[in-house]
Amino acid sequence: QKEVEQDPGPLSVPEGAIVSLNCTYSNSAFQYFMWYRQYSRKGPELLMYTYSSGNKEDGRFTAQVDKSSKYISLFIRDSQPSDSATYLCAMKVSNQGGKLIFGQGTELSVKP
Amino acid sequence: SQTIHQWPATLVQPVGSPLSLECTVEGTSNPNLYWYRQAAGRGLQLLFYSVGIGQISSEVPQNLSASRPQDRQFILSSKKLLLSDSGFYLCAWADGNYGYTFGSGTRLTVV
Repeated sequence: QKEVEQDPGPLSVPEGAIVSLNCTYSNSAFQYFMWYRQYSRKGPELLMYTYSSGNKEDGRFTAQVDKSSKYISLFIRDSQPSDSATYLCAMKVSNQGGKLIFGQGTELSVKP
Repeated sequence: SQTIHQWPATLVQPVGSPLSLECTVEGTSNPNLYWYRQAAGRGLQLLFYSVGIGQISSEVPQNLSASRPQDRQFILSSKKLLLSDSGFYLCAWADGNYGYTFGSGTRLTVV
């Protein structure tokens, strides 16, 4: 079993839809959770960063962490064609250095 | 501000040829540095990481090696490329307070 599992894509939605992206993990020691957005042929860029359980909101994006269920989510409201990208979840045990473990990514396409 | 440079952007190499990919970081000192590989439609696989000059940890036994000759320089190498070495190679540095910052990547095709 992989340490981090991410729902496979591709996911196609109409513009304006609410998008839900999810990851599950097996290592209960993970405490820092991130979402990266990766456009085609580009390096990933950090989108959201959360520590421990709870919600964090940034504009149209909300990151949710449920440590009891070992489950994290990223919600995108009012999705735009510019949101079309691959979204990768990532997590690590320690805030000091340490290794970031990634999910396999979900490819999202938002159709105008 | 911190920036990370990675080159070349695209590379096509024949099987059996050597490889050298370079990554440099500016605006920070003694960063943790990482090399990842991303196969088509797959997540990121950690290949090597370094916490200091000359200190390299390998995550996956393979045909590749890494070196850190200077504090802000990280090099990925191979003596003889295999077809299976094709992929998207990403260098990253770790900001201890947040996640990683990635370079723009090198798309390697071994033919």
